[in-house]
Amino acid sequence: EAGVAQSPRYKIIEKRQSVAFWCNPISGHATLYWYQQILGQGPKLLIQFQNNGVVDDSQLPKDRFSAERLKGVDSTLKIQPAKLEDSAVYLCASSLGLAGSYNEQFFGPGTRLTVL
Amino acid sequence: GQQVMQIPQYQHVQEGEDFTTYCNSSTTLSNIQWYKQRPGGHPVFLIQLVKSGEVKKQKRLTFQFGEAKKNSSLHITATQTTDVGTYFCAAESRFYFGSGTKLNVKP
Repeated sequence: EAGVAQSPRYKIIEKRQSVAFWCNPISGHATLYWYQQILGQGPKLLIQFQNNGVVDDSQLPKDRFSAERLKGVDSTLKIQPAKLEDSAVYLCASSLGLAGSYNEQFFGPGTRLTVL
Repeated sequence: GQQVMQIPQYQHVQEGEDFTTYCNSSTTLSNIQWYKQRPGGHPVFLIQLVKSGEVKKQKRLTFQFGEAKKNSSLHITATQTTDVGTYFCAAESRFYFGSGTKLNVKP
């Protein structure tokens, strides 16, 4: 079974530039998550999708971050404009998303973003 | 919002010693998940605990969920170098991850 795919794996940009990350979840997984993991910290949930609807985006800095999952499959996360403090690994995860069952999350390899 | 606190932040053990990490919440949790992240890797799901007082074992790993469902622990018996990594607890419902416990095992 193919895992969660993310691209690019690494990205270096200058502050105030824009960047986009792509995620393809495991086939059949209804729930998709984007996390930000700053070095030495635990993953911080940015946004959670159930199919193509947003379940939780309370921790997404909406003035600069946006995410979409238009067809309920793959997803993109965009930062515009980037700040130095956005340097982190951006992790995408997916789960079956069935109510009342284990929601084991499968994580992708992440995109390491460096903002100079 | 719901937060989980993890202690200790770091743990250095000699191979063969035991290791325990604790996860505490100020609110009652519906369930809790544990993940392991190897250096340079991504989090990998270990287990989910749902019931009050639940205890689950995976080989040398023992997971417990407190009676009040506000705390949890992960205990590793006789650590091995392959146990090196950071262990995170995550509270479902906005999936708040703890800050993690980084385990280093000296051979």
